[in-house]
Amino acid sequence: EPEVTQTPSHQVTQMGQEVILRCVPISNHLYFYWYRQILGQKVEFLVSFYNNEISEKSEIFDDQFSVERPDGSNFTLKIRSTKLEDSAMYFCASSSQGSGTEAFFGQGTRLTVV
Amino acid sequence: AQSVTQPDIHITVSEGASLELRCNYSYGATPYLFWYVQSPGQGLQLLLKYFSGDTLVQGIKGFEAEFKRSQSSFNLRKPSVHWSDAAEYFCAVGAAGNKLTFGGGTRVLVKP
Repeated sequence: EPEVTQTPSHQVTQMGQEVILRCVPISNHLYFYWYRQILGQKVEFLVSFYNNEISEKSEIFDDQFSVERPDGSNFTLKIRSTKLEDSAMYFCASSSQGSGTEAFFGQGTRLTVV
Repeated sequence: AQSVTQPDIHITVSEGASLELRCNYSYGATPYLFWYVQSPGQGLQLLLKYFSGDTLVQGIKGFEAEFKRSQSSFNLRKPSVHWSDAAEYFCAVGAAGNKLTFGGGTRVLVKP
């Protein structure tokens, strides 16, 4: 069964460092998403991406964040200068359509900023 | 703006007993509704979804949910819980563009 894969599963980084979280969406999907879940809190939408551009972003997704689809398979989330409060589980998701279909989630990357 | 409320933070249920998890949503149009399950250290797995049609939807692992427009609810049920159902359950509403808004989650503990 096709699945969304994320790497690494756990990333520890020092405050102020840049991190790139990687995702390989399901191959025929066209819509891509990042969500995050701070420990003990709800899953929050960060950004959606379609046709090589951001289609929607939340207020969390400030200038420190960027997304990219550098080739035909990868979808990355970059945090330019990490802060302690960026520590969270980051989930990538993909869907075949923009609405009316389910999003498939990866296993997540746990980011710990120290 | 859309929102989802899961009133129960924790639920403890005995193995073999029935389970019902509550979900209330707020959304201006016809919602797309989802239930996801997250086992410890794992990602989010889709249990079931409602887009339109029959308001009682069947999902994986023996779960079902009923959409009640008049109550803005989408409660999840399972007739007989297994120990492996211990997990956190998230209700979500989807808008155009498939942006999901999640509830706070309900952690289910299963007693032997």
